[in-house]
Amino acid sequence: EAQVTQNPRYLITVTGKKLTVTCSQNMNHEYMSWYRQDPGLGLRQIYYSMNVEVTDKGDVPEGYKVSRKEKRNFPLILESPSPNQTSLYFCASRLAGAREQYFGPGTRLTVT
Amino acid sequence: QQQVKQSPQSLIVQKGGIPIINCAYENTAFDYFPWYQQFPGKGPALLIAIRPDVSEKKEGRFTISFNKSAKQFSLHIMDSQPGDSATYFCAASIMISSGSARQLTFGSGTQLTVLP
Repeated sequence: EAQVTQNPRYLITVTGKKLTVTCSQNMNHEYMSWYRQDPGLGLRQIYYSMNVEVTDKGDVPEGYKVSRKEKRNFPLILESPSPNQTSLYFCASRLAGAREQYFGPGTRLTVT
Repeated sequence: QQQVKQSPQSLIVQKGGIPIINCAYENTAFDYFPWYQQFPGKGPALLIAIRPDVSEKKEGRFTISFNKSAKQFSLHIMDSQPGDSATYFCAASIMISSGSARQLTFGSGTQLTVLP
């Protein structure tokens, strides 16, 4: 089944403790991206990657890092999480130049 | 700044009603306008989309109306059902940088409740 998977789905952590949220897709998509969803703000893009080893900042990149060492994986790294990063995070992927984007199921992160 | 403004924030209708969700954009370079539907605990899923050279697109009970001169577009749900209760996001897409990637800008979302 073609899909985007994220792990973990739920995470509660404390301020400053490094964490990684994984994202994997099995559709051989070149383009992958991370969004955060907050009430009243919709989805805002954090980082995106057009292909392996090619990443760029989205609208809200501060406090996040990403890497794209393999085509199928695009992990999101929070080196020192803060409470304002408490949010619902979505990974998405699509073919380069394609219009339709496929979203993962989301990761709900709480930073205390 | 690339912005997409969406209204209303929430909407409650009776079964069979026709909820309408509106979006407005600023950047005339946007060339693709999708709507996403999101159920609780799930990621957004593409519902219907339109290009700016078309004024209306219909798929089943879902219709997009597009007004290029006003830079506005809207989603209409005909004969709405309780199963349509979800959060709806409009979005606008633009080709960026080298032309090999697309940027998607989302509206703030509308929480729709269809009462039985």
